[in-house]
Amino acid sequence: DADVTQTPRNRITKTGKRIMLECSQTKGHDRMYWYRQDPGLGLRLIYYSFDVKDINKGEISDGYSVSRQAQAKFSLSLESAIPNQTALYFCATSDPLAGETQYFGPGTRLLVL
Amino acid sequence: SQQGEEDPQALSIQEGENATMNCSYKTSINNLQWYRQNSGRGLVHLILIRSNEREKHSGRLRVTLDTSKKSSSLLITASRAADTASYFCATDLTSGSRLTFGEGTQLTVNP
Repeated sequence: DADVTQTPRNRITKTGKRIMLECSQTKGHDRMYWYRQDPGLGLRLIYYSFDVKDINKGEISDGYSVSRQAQAKFSLSLESAIPNQTALYFCATSDPLAGETQYFGPGTRLLVL
Repeated sequence: SQQGEEDPQALSIQEGENATMNCSYKTSINNLQWYRQNSGRGLVHLILIRSNEREKHSGRLRVTLDTSKKSSSLLITASRAADTASYFCATDLTSGSRLTFGEGTQLTVNP
């Protein structure tokens, strides 16, 4: 089984709808991240969490919120989806005690109509 | 703005040739990492080089870091068609905190 999983893998929604993207990990890492990827722009950090009680904004947090329900779960919500939030979303984890590498999930492709 | 910028944006070579990708960044770093992404898939970590290192090797990968020029290069030797992917550099300003990614180089290796 994959160490970092994301659900759903693909989602189509309409403008104004609230949606949640979920990330789960079995790596036992404390640190989790949400990124979005747009063509030609690489990955940009939305939010990150260093433990269950820690939430930090990244570069582009406006229009998004997160919830760290447990060490293994980190959810990203779009409160009122808009078309320019159409992107590929990635969750990642890391454990600084085991090195600085981040481990990525397979991604969620989101289309907002 | 992106911390890392990669060059070239796209590179097309023949199988067996070497591929070199470059990354420049703006501020002092703790380490620099290279990741690979197959089309539409998650990123996979390739190699990490720390600010006090100048060169690292891993299999067919060779990474260099020049902190005076704030640049790094990734060399893939004897490329294979399976190396076709996007390659991203990512800078870590404070060990293990957060990464800032470049825009990537799309490498195509033709059989």
